[in-house]
Amino acid sequence: AQTVTQSQPEMSVQEAETVTLSCTYDTSESDYYLFWYKQPPSRQMILVIRQEAYKQQNATENRFSVNFQKAAKSFSLKISDSQLGDAAMYFCARGRSNFGNEKLTFGTGTRLTIIP
Amino acid sequence: GAGVSQSPSNKVTEKGKDVELRCDPISGHTALYWYRQSLGQGLEFLIYFQGNSAPDKSGLPSDRFSAERTGGSVSTLTIQRTQQEDSAVYLCASSSKTGLYGYTFGSGTRLTVV
Repeated sequence: AQTVTQSQPEMSVQEAETVTLSCTYDTSESDYYLFWYKQPPSRQMILVIRQEAYKQQNATENRFSVNFQKAAKSFSLKISDSQLGDAAMYFCARGRSNFGNEKLTFGTGTRLTIIP
Repeated sequence: GAGVSQSPSNKVTEKGKDVELRCDPISGHTALYWYRQSLGQGLEFLIYFQGNSAPDKSGLPSDRFSAERTGGSVSTLTIQRTQQEDSAVYLCASSSKTGLYGYTFGSGTRLTVV
């Protein structure tokens, strides 16, 4: 089975500091999509950032950026200037690119705590 | 609607009973997905509906699980003869065309089988 691995069950960071969450994945495809989702206590999953594998440039969304290493099959999320509202579970996910089969494979998540 | 709506928010049921979980996707979204999130686990794909195409049921864990989507909108996930291992949060998501631009998730139904 093609898997997504998040090796850090829990992480913590001081408010206003920077934290990096790790994700590695397994795939035999050359074209695919990668996502980071945030799940606060409300349970609703929120899309944080998206990366297309054929693009070499790392995606950025305000304080959130990724380090995409295709050869290493690594997709880490960097959160800059951490805020209390960033506290949540973060899930990495991979999607296939062939139209008509868009189910995502998720990692087991990293719980991020922000220390005031 | 403005978002993906799931009901009930929480459900406690006795082992062996049937349950129905409802998902109302964003209006106009053609794709609808069900995932299961067990404690300490990631999200496990269950089933995917896209327009009028036959659903992808490859993630349903047993024949006790079924889902339908009526009129291309509301979806119901049914679990028959519930077991304790069915206890989990069931998340529904929808997307406008393909999920590769990111889903919009509902807040889930927490199912507890006692």
